[in-house]
Amino acid sequence: EAGVAQSPRYKIIEKRQSVAFWCNPISGHATLYWYQQILGQGPKLLIQFQNNGVVDDSQLPKDRFSAERLKGVDSTLKIQPAKLEDSAVYLCASSPGTAGEDTQYFGPGTRLTVL
Amino acid sequence: GEDVEQSLFLSVREGDSSVINCTYTDSSSTYLYWYKQEPGAGLQLLTYIFSNMDMKQDQRLTVLLNKKDKHLSLRIADTQTGDSAIYFCAESDSGGYNKLIFGAGTRLAVHP
Repeated sequence: EAGVAQSPRYKIIEKRQSVAFWCNPISGHATLYWYQQILGQGPKLLIQFQNNGVVDDSQLPKDRFSAERLKGVDSTLKIQPAKLEDSAVYLCASSPGTAGEDTQYFGPGTRLTVL
Repeated sequence: GEDVEQSLFLSVREGDSSVINCTYTDSSSTYLYWYKQEPGAGLQLLTYIFSNMDMKQDQRLTVLLNKKDKHLSLRIADTQTGDSAIYFCAESDSGGYNKLIFGAGTRLAVHP
């Protein structure tokens, strides 16, 4: 079974530029998550989709971050304009979306450096 | 709000047991997880425990849960150099849709 795919793996941009990340979840997984992991910290949830609807975006900085999940499969996360403090690894995860225990499986992440 | 705390660093000798500790605040968490992260990689699920269990064993891994003290531990028996990584404890957010709250991670260094 293929895992969660993310691209690009690395991205370097200057502040005030825009950037987009792509995620392809495990086939059949209803729930998709985007986490931000700042160096030395644990991942923090930015946004969670159930199929193609948003169920939690309470920690997404909506003035600069946006995300969508088209047709309930792939997802993109965009930052516009980027700030220095956005330098982090952006992790995508997916889970089956079942009631009870619903394990999240993570992709390799995209490492963003904002100069 | 919810918070998960871990010690930041642990060093052990190859072949010894490692014990990584974690405390959490949400007494309503249903599941508690341990993930492993190697350099440049995503998070790999190691194991999880349901909140009504005290212990779970899976090959070299033993998870102990003290719900009264909100304390979770991961014991790795016969630690090998390949176990060197960062280990994250996470609790499922009882108020959310399976949202995970992570600790800052414990870096495990295994030396000969």
